[in-house]
Amino acid sequence: TQLLEQSPQFLSIQEGENLTVYCNSSSVFSSLQWYRQEPGEGPVLLVTVVTGGEVKKLKRLTFQFGDARKDSSLHITAAQPGDTGLYLCAGGGRAAGNKLTFGGGTRVLVKP
Amino acid sequence: GAVVSQHPSRVICKSGTSVKIECRSLDFQATTMFWYRQFPKQSLMLMATSNEGSKATYEQGVEKDKFLINHASLTLSTLTVTSAHPEDSSFYICSVHWGTSGRSTYNEQFFGPGTRLTVL
Repeated sequence: TQLLEQSPQFLSIQEGENLTVYCNSSSVFSSLQWYRQEPGEGPVLLVTVVTGGEVKKLKRLTFQFGDARKDSSLHITAAQPGDTGLYLCAGGGRAAGNKLTFGGGTRVLVKP
Repeated sequence: GAVVSQHPSRVICKSGTSVKIECRSLDFQATTMFWYRQFPKQSLMLMATSNEGSKATYEQGVEKDKFLINHASLTLSTLTVTSAHPEDSSFYICSVHWGTSGRSTYNEQFFGPGTRLTVL
């Protein structure tokens, strides 16, 4: 069974600060996605990373896929209140077929 | 990405009644859809994989007779919670599998906005 562990579970920071969320596994994933979910809504896909060592940037968000494709991180620079939400990482692999393995989520609160 | 809708967005029902939730893929044909439930402050829990034209595949511990899934067309999957009880109260979310369209091989999923079910 593939498992994804996210840390921390909860982050509370002030507007303008930086934050990093981690997603770790002992399994190799062929791809890894990051989603953001706001209360009462469905998750929204932010990015997909597929190559070991890959770095992708989306405005103030930087996503990195580990060289061994077992871990990933999400870094937010100069966080804003609009970044508040539940961040979920999800991994896909051949063993799981079409299914995704989701991490436990990191709840981020950015205070103005 | 895909645009997914769910209906209703919110439903309150009495214990013992059945509730149907619709999930529609609005802009592409989805061979595979997924149904999740989510408890407050928790991650998504996969309930079942819905395949067009065939029986759904349920995750371990999910009662198939309680959570009926029908995927009769490439744009519509339904989840019926039968004889609902208060413990079935949850946020139910569907998603479509983007990979089967050929646009991506990375198992991306696009989610609906969710349905909040409250059973009294």
